[in-house]
Amino acid sequence: AIRMTQSPSSFSASTGDRVTITCRASQGISSYLAWYQQKPGKAPKLLIYAASTLQSGVPSRFSGSGSGTDFTLTISCLQSEDFATYYCQQYYSYPSFGGGTKVEIK
Amino acid sequence: QVQLQESGPGLVKPSQTLSLTCTVSGGSISSGGYYWSWIRQHPGKGLEWIGYIYYSGSTYYNPSLKSRVTISVDTSKNQFSLKLSSVTAADTAVYYCARVSGITIFGVVTGWFDPWGQGTLVTVSS
Repeated sequence: AIRMTQSPSSFSASTGDRVTITCRASQGISSYLAWYQQKPGKAPKLLIYAASTLQSGVPSRFSGSGSGTDFTLTISCLQSEDFATYYCQQYYSYPSFGGGTKVEIK
Repeated sequence: QVQLQESGPGLVKPSQTLSLTCTVSGGSISSGGYYWSWIRQHPGKGLEWIGYIYYSGSTYYNPSLKSRVTISVDTSKNQFSLKLSSVTAADTAVYYCARVSGITIFGVVTGWFDPWGQGTLVTVSS
């Protein structure tokens, strides 16, 4: 099974900050990676698939990059509604998720 | 747009079978093109894929759960269901259903999940 590792597991940031979340796969997964946002008590919401393709309706301040084993999710200008937990998911093999990165208010 | 809604008992006794149903609205399961999946999230933890099914009945399961999982589809009701047998407290989780934009890589059906149902908490306790 492919293991996905996210870092950091949590951090604090301020509105307006540029933030970057990292996801690393235990083996190469090409660009078969998705990112999700989850708010407390809610289901995850797809943000990005194919490592860098923005899902329809997702604000352009979200972007994804990477290929192979190392990937990043960037939020260019953090908004109040972006404080949430973010998960990466590989689909190079049967799906598996990273452990999540919680973005908290500083 | 497609919406999914989970339903089923919120409390299951240890050693019994957990049964959940996902009702799809705004689109037809039998129109094809997508797989339909179950995913769970243990309290305060990350996400775990359980399995998925195509409208034809083809299923794919997480190897770690395969011996206890059955996913079935009822196209006449536009629903798909999950059965997880011999449950223990470790199966206490929020269970989500989701649509899968599936692709096949080296013979393995896989993909990303969108949209998701709201989730339902299932507690395993006597």
